[in-house]
This record gives sequence, C-alpha cells and structure tokens, in this order.
Amino acid sequence: KAGVTQTPRYLIKTRGQQVTLSCSPISGHRSVSWYQQTPGQGLQFLFEYFSETQRNKGNFPGRFSGRQFSNSRSEMNVSTLELGDSALYLCASSLFEAGRDEKLFFGSGTQLSVL
Amino acid sequence: AQKVTQAQTEISVVEKEDVTLDCVYETRDTTYYLFWYKQPPSGELVFLIRRNSFDEQNEISGRYSWNFQKSTSSFNFTITASQVVDSAVYFCALSFNDYKLSFGAGTTVTVRA
Repeated sequence: KAGVTQTPRYLIKTRGQQVTLSCSPISGHRSVSWYQQTPGQGLQFLFEYFSETQRNKGNFPGRFSGRQFSNSRSEMNVSTLELGDSALYLCASSLFEAGRDEKLFFGSGTQLSVL
Repeated sequence: AQKVTQAQTEISVVEKEDVTLDCVYETRDTTYYLFWYKQPPSGELVFLIRRNSFDEQNEISGRYSWNFQKSTSSFNFTITASQVVDSAVYFCALSFNDYKLSFGAGTTVTVRA
C-alpha cells in the first residue's frame, strides 16, 4: 500500500507570492491533517479535513487555507508569503477522524523556503 | 489548555545502551490519548505507541517500552539495547476530541556505533 504522498518535496518562493502544496493520503483514508514544523515553534497543527469538511483549524492567519477533494486528496494554500512561513509542511492521513486514539500516517513533507 | 513538555533536548548514547525519553503533559480533561512518534532524517513522522488515559498498564513491545503514570502526568518511553538506526527525533504527543495532536518539542537521539 502506498504511503502518504506530498508534492513538491522542495519549494522556493519569494515574499508576497502564493503557494499550493498537495497531499495524497493512503488509499481508503478519509482524514487529512496538516502540520507546520519549524526549529523555533516545533510542530504546530494547521487544519484537519474529514470527508471534505474542515473539522478544526489551528492558530494561523487567514493566509493559510486548505481544502479536501472527494477523493480525499488535500491541498493547502498560503497566500502573500512571509519569511516566517519557511518551514517543513507535513501532511498526515488516518482512516477515521484525527484525534482521540487515531493513529496518523505522515508524508515526508514539503520543505518551503521563502526568500 | 493542553501542553506537552519534553525537557531533554538531545541524548547521545553508545550502541546497546538503553535510552529513556521523558514526557510530561498537562490537561484538565479526564479522557485523553498519548502517543510517541519518531522522525528519522527522511522527515516523515512514524507512529510508535499510543495509550489512553484509562489504561495505565505499562507494556513492552520489542525493544520499546513505556511507563505511563497519571499521578505524575508522565508518559516516558524507553528504547532497550539501542541501535544506530534508532537515531532520530522522538516526539511525545497528546490528543483529545479536537481532531489534532499537540506535540512536545522533541528529543534528538543520537546512537553512536
């Protein structure tokens, strides 16, 4: 069974641009979560989608948005990029809604650098 | 608010030594779930173990074992007879009914041959 696939693996953008990251969950998984990882703030929750519905959103500005498609694939978008958005963005999928005792399966992430 | 603290930033051991990773959590909820994940250099987090707040039984799974103590709000994790492949960042995490994990800052484990 293929794992969680994130594209692209690396991305370099300049301030003010926007970016879209993609995540394909494990086949059959209906939940997709996104996390931002930085050396200073660690792993921070961005949002979770289950059956195309956003269940929870982390404490991030409105420039961060996401969506989930009917095939469970998900995209996240960051508009008007700032230097502080440089991070590893990790996507995770699970069979059922994330949280409680649900095990998450993570992708290798997209390393975003904002210059 | 929920909070997970991993006080150890880095641990370095020689192969075959045991490694114990500390995790202390804060929560006002009575029902919660605790996890350990491992992040190797490739980047993806890998699930290791989980426990719910109603089950304080400590177990051993291969070279992994854990010690969950509600009285001290601790969920420590031990790797027995460490190997070079165990070198990674280890994260303790906490979840409730809010569709997310709250992670600690992580502990970098380096196992030297």
